[in-house]
Amino acid sequence: GQQLNQSPQSMFIQEGEDVSMNCTSSSIFNTWLWYKQDPGEGPVLLIALYKAGELTSNGRLTAQFGITRKDSFLNISASIPSDVGIYFCAGQLKAGGTSYGKLTFGQGTILTVHP
Amino acid sequence: DVKVTQSSRYLVKRTGEKVFLECVQDMDHENMFWYRQDPGLGLRLIYFSYDVKMKEKGDIPEGYSVSREKKERFSLILESASTNQTSMYLCASSLAGARGQPQHFGDGTRLSIL
Repeated sequence: GQQLNQSPQSMFIQEGEDVSMNCTSSSIFNTWLWYKQDPGEGPVLLIALYKAGELTSNGRLTAQFGITRKDSFLNISASIPSDVGIYFCAGQLKAGGTSYGKLTFGQGTILTVHP
Repeated sequence: DVKVTQSSRYLVKRTGEKVFLECVQDMDHENMFWYRQDPGLGLRLIYFSYDVKMKEKGDIPEGYSVSREKKERFSLILESASTNQTSMYLCASSLAGARGQPQHFGDGTRLSIL
């Protein structure tokens, strides 16, 4: 199936540092989503992006829908210990219709924050 | 808030057993999904359903089947469990719609096949 390339695979940072991660695809997406998964739990939606070039913030998190529609970025500013977890990007190729809401997920970025 | 509930957090079964994983959502979502999550591989789609009694294969359907008799419930069945099906299984649901709709996830079932 379709794959998204998410990088980096893992990050070890100090508390207070900023974090950047990204996803790229060979296909054009109409929707980009970013999720966070805490240990032992299911992924939780952080940010949803619906327009090329869109830049959206959620507290210390900022995500952008790439102009080419083939990539997306997530930035976390001033990291704190509770930012620890796995971050996933997800894209939807077509809105509604025959896609039935299917998403394609990246492999995930494992974030570790040292106090 | 959307609530997706998976029946078990942890499950241990034996090779060859028939295994049922249950998922219930309370927000009247049309779409439901089953994924498995393995380290380094992200989330891989097993099956999904866009309506009652409707089902479609995902990327890795082999060895699995599903059932959706009611809108709120989506079951994943391992017909004859094998050790390579040891994994974290995640259920999700979403609204149908023209605009891309986020999926909402349950907390997962960690399944071990011995």
